[in-house]
Amino acid sequence: KNEVEQSPQNLTAQEGEFITINCSYSVGISALHWLQQHPGGGIVSLFMLSSGKKKHGRLIATINIQEKHSSLHITASHPRDSAVYICAVSYGGSQGNLIFGKGTKLSVKP
Amino acid sequence: NAGVTQTPKFRILKIGQSMTLQCAQDMNHNYMYWYRQDPGMGLKLIYYSVGAGITDKGEVPNGYNVSRSTTEDFPLRLELAAPSQTSVYFCASSFTTGLRTNGYTFGSGTRLTVV
Repeated sequence: KNEVEQSPQNLTAQEGEFITINCSYSVGISALHWLQQHPGGGIVSLFMLSSGKKKHGRLIATINIQEKHSSLHITASHPRDSAVYICAVSYGGSQGNLIFGKGTKLSVKP
Repeated sequence: NAGVTQTPKFRILKIGQSMTLQCAQDMNHNYMYWYRQDPGMGLKLIYYSVGAGITDKGEVPNGYNVSRSTTEDFPLRLELAAPSQTSVYFCASSFTTGLRTNGYTFGSGTRLTVV
């Protein structure tokens, strides 16, 4: 059974700080996903990656397949980045299901 | 494109009542999913479908039923609602072939309270 662990559970930062959220998983996967959930809102897919690194604006996601670890970085954080960030993994097969971490609640103070 | 549309956004049910959560997608995705999100927990899969006419149970299917008569629609039925079904429900879809998927699109969620 694949377990997905995220750290930290909660994170408070000052505006402008560089933020890192970590995700580790226990078995081989086909892809890792980073999702964003705003309070009272839906879930938005930020990245899907199976190797290396992806960048979108101030967000950077990296994955190390050998170490079964991924990080989500936010540069020059802003209060609008406040949200829950969720790591999820998919491991292919007919189900196509995602296994989710419990999320990291980020609060960026002005 | 509207993406994945879920209705209603909020609902309060009495114990023993039934209801249907609606989910529709307009992206011609073959896979659709229903998840529930409980406080402090990761999302759990209730049911999923790999195409019209095909559905299968996920991790937490008890108390729910689904159908997939068309590619676009994937309603979730709650029969005899119980307080344990108080949760936030998310519908999602993906285009998945073999071992590959193009990514997942989520609906905005339905917050259900059973009293």
